[in-house]
Amino acid sequence: NAGVMQNPRHLVRRRGQEARLRCSPMKGHSHVYWYRQLPEEGLKFMVYLQKENIIDESGMPKERFSAEFPKEGPSILRIQQVVRGDSAAYFCASSPDLTMDYGYTFGSGTRLTVV
Amino acid sequence: SQQGEEDPQALSIQEGENATMNCSYKTSINNLQWYRQNSGRGLVHLILIRSNEREKHSGRLRVTLDTSKKSSSLLITASRAADTASYFCATVNDYKLSFGAGTTVTVRA
Repeated sequence: NAGVMQNPRHLVRRRGQEARLRCSPMKGHSHVYWYRQLPEEGLKFMVYLQKENIIDESGMPKERFSAEFPKEGPSILRIQQVVRGDSAAYFCASSPDLTMDYGYTFGSGTRLTVV
Repeated sequence: SQQGEEDPQALSIQEGENATMNCSYKTSINNLQWYRQNSGRGLVHLILIRSNEREKHSGRLRVTLDTSKKSSSLLITASRAADTASYFCATVNDYKLSFGAGTTVTVRA
C-alpha cells in the first residue's frame, strides 16, 4: 500500500500563473481532504471531497481556488492566478469512510512557492 | 481562532528525558488526535483518544484527556534524537481536523 501520494513535492509558480496539485488517496479510500499549512502554523481545513462530489468547501477561498475528485484519477486542487500569499504547504489526507474513530493518513505535501 | 492550542511553543530536552506538551481546545469533540511532523515532511498520526477516554498509551507515548477542562497532554518518555519534530494536537468534529500551531521539540544528544 503506497499510502497517500501527492505530487509534485515542490512547485514554483510566478504570480498570475496556475498551480495544480494532485493527490492520490490510499487504495480503497473514497474520501479526500485538503489542508493548507502556512509557515509556523498548524494545518487548516480547506475542502472535503468524495468521488465526483464536493462535500464541504467551507475552508477554501471563494475565488481562484477549486478542487475536484473525479471518478477516475487523483484529486486535484487548482489555484488560479496565484499570489505570494498562496505560498504554503498543501496536504491531502484520505479515509475509507466517515467513521472518525481512527487517525488520518496524510501525504507528504506539496510545497508551493509563488515568486 | 484555532481549535487546538499547544503549549509550550518550543521545548528543548536532553536525550533520555521526558517531554510533555499540552493542548487546549474550545468546543466539544468526537476525539482528539496527536500528530508528528518532521521538518519539511507530512504529518504522521501518533495516537487517538476518544472523548470518553481519559488516558491512553502507545509505546513511549502517553496521552491524557480532560474534557471538563478541554485539555489534553502528550508525554514522550525516554526521548530520542529521532523524536525531534513538531507535534500537533487536532480535535475532530464530524470529519474536520482542527490543528493548533504545534510544539517544536528538540532532543539534544
